[in-house]
Amino acid sequence: DGGITQSPKYLFRKEGQNVTLSCEQNLNHDAMYWYRQDPGQGLRLIYYSQIVNDFQKGDIAEGYSVSREKKESFPLTVTSAQKNPTAFYLCASSIVGAAGELFFGEGSRLTVL
Amino acid sequence: QQPVQSPQAVILREGEDAVINCSSSKALYSVHWYRQKHGEAPVFLMILLKGGEQKGHEKISASFNEKKQQSSLYLTASQLSYSGTYFCGTEIPSYGKLTFGQGTILTVHP
Repeated sequence: DGGITQSPKYLFRKEGQNVTLSCEQNLNHDAMYWYRQDPGQGLRLIYYSQIVNDFQKGDIAEGYSVSREKKESFPLTVTSAQKNPTAFYLCASSIVGAAGELFFGEGSRLTVL
Repeated sequence: QQPVQSPQAVILREGEDAVINCSSSKALYSVHWYRQKHGEAPVFLMILLKGGEQKGHEKISASFNEKKQQSSLYLTASQLSYSGTYFCGTEIPSYGKLTFGQGTILTVHP
């Protein structure tokens, strides 16, 4: 079945550590996105990529980094520079950028201890 | 740039109707609507493109007023399964990204 797989589902991290969240899709979609979800704030865009080897900052990119070396993969690294990293992270993809339906993964919940 | 949704929360009895509004300060190319149930990923409901069309999905429909940069989601004869958080997402021309509102929590009681 086609879809988006995020891993891990739950992750605990100590302060000062970098952590990488995986996002893989087999939908053959060109565009991929990372959103952060906090209670009462909706979904906020971290980074997005419309094509391999290219990506753009979203609204809250500080303290995060991404790469897009393969069409299927768009990993997100939460660095120690991110001041408040505890959140629910959602990866999404679409066939034609923002004009198309977004398909979301099940999410990764990161807790910093 | 984040669109503003209203109301923040709605409580309904089965069979009642609801309207959720989404407004932007920027000219929009498209508006998306998604529903998210607790602990799950958001699920796509519909897209409205610039042109003022209205779409429907079973008893859920939406309109897009591009002059006012506003969209409304209409839920008629609500069912228990309609409970969840509804998000609108807006696309500004040439940006290629979707920006979501803060969400509207809809609760339907028997």
